[in-house]
Amino acid sequence: ETGVTQTPRHLVMGMTNKKSLKCEQHLGHNAMYWYKQSAKKPLELMFVYNFKEQTENNSVPSRFSPECPNSSHLFLHLHTLQPEDSALYLCASSQFTRQGVNEQYFGPGTRLTVT
Amino acid sequence: AQTVTQSQPEMSVQEAETVTLSCTYDTSESDYYLFWYKQPPSRQMILVIRQEAYKQQNATENRFSVNFQKAAKSFSLKISDSQLGDAAMYFCAYRSDGANNLFFGTGTRLTVIP
Repeated sequence: ETGVTQTPRHLVMGMTNKKSLKCEQHLGHNAMYWYKQSAKKPLELMFVYNFKEQTENNSVPSRFSPECPNSSHLFLHLHTLQPEDSALYLCASSQFTRQGVNEQYFGPGTRLTVT
Repeated sequence: AQTVTQSQPEMSVQEAETVTLSCTYDTSESDYYLFWYKQPPSRQMILVIRQEAYKQQNATENRFSVNFQKAAKSFSLKISDSQLGDAAMYFCAYRSDGANNLFFGTGTRLTVIP
């Protein structure tokens, strides 16, 4: 596997279910990100992890719970979601430095549908 | 907070022709980075081109080039010799120097007509 991978690619879950999204980066990066992409809206940054430490949480509801066990893996645990949470969830990674371009590389996304 | 505006929800171009996608942004900072990402129907977001704000020279990557106007806070993408594979959503993004956050525009859907 190369780049950034995400599983599953598609997920349908009920509002009472618990599921997890997985992201893995094979680029040796030290920062990982979760974004939410909804129709007609800009990508919304949800969480950022630098060196496995969460550095950003952009007012995301607690029904979304991130986990970053190491610099290569990132999870998004989902529970008691709402229909408005249906979206494409994108994972990204970058080699973060204080000064530098720090390009983010994205995975293919997980299309989540909450019923 | 920084905002990124893409005023063209949809654009179309004839194959082999040139098209320009617009992007403006709002910031009070002097050091930052700008990006254009492409998202084809397969959904994988791919970096097309980047521009460092401190560089006056416009970035170029093969058929893709930008027109960076720092004073006007404008960052347009020009695609020359358009190909069918260029059809995708194109997103403009901004990042402050030293920060993680990428701020995206709402995207422009580009259609390439054979």
